[in-house]
Amino acid sequence: KAGVTQTPRYLIKTRGQQVTLSCSPISGHRSVSWYQQTPGQGLQFLFEYFSETQRNKGNFPGRFSGRQFSNSRSEMNVSTLELGDSALYLCASSLGEGTHQETQYFGPGTRLLVL
Amino acid sequence: TQLLEQSPQFLSIQEGENLTVYCNSSSVFSSLQWYRQEPGEGPVLLVTVVTGGEVKKLKRLTFQFGDARKDSSLHITAAQPGDTGLYLCAGAHTGTASKLTFGTGTRLQVTL
Repeated sequence: KAGVTQTPRYLIKTRGQQVTLSCSPISGHRSVSWYQQTPGQGLQFLFEYFSETQRNKGNFPGRFSGRQFSNSRSEMNVSTLELGDSALYLCASSLGEGTHQETQYFGPGTRLLVL
Repeated sequence: TQLLEQSPQFLSIQEGENLTVYCNSSSVFSSLQWYRQEPGEGPVLLVTVVTGGEVKKLKRLTFQFGDARKDSSLHITAAQPGDTGLYLCAGAHTGTASKLTFGTGTRLQVTL
């Protein structure tokens, strides 16, 4: 079974631009979560999508948004990029059963650099 | 706000040594997971503990969940260079395994 894939793997943008990142979950998984990883703040939860609906949300500004398609693939968008948005963006997929024991499978991440 | 504090932040040891990583919180979690992340990759799940006082062993790794479900520890026996990486604990509340609160991380380097 193929793992979680994320595209692109690396991205360079300038302040004020917007960016869209893509995540393809493991086949059969219906939940996709997004995380931001920075040296200063560590790994922080952005949001989770399940069956094309946002099910959970973290404490990030509205510039960060996402969506999920009927095939469970997900995209996240960051508008009006700021220097502080430079980070590794990780997505994780799971079956989406909602239990606290459910295993999350992470992709390799997209490294975004904002200049 | 970082709810899960890990210690130590960095650890450099020689092959064959033992080590313990701690993960502490003021919050109660329904489950606690430990991940290892290597450069250029996403975190990979090592174990999930769900019961207060639970101890799980995976070969040379021993994981413990505190009785009050607020803290956890990871003990590695006879560390090997392949154990090198970033170790992360992550807590989940009931019904929200997809919304993990991650710890601050412990970077481990094991040298020959």
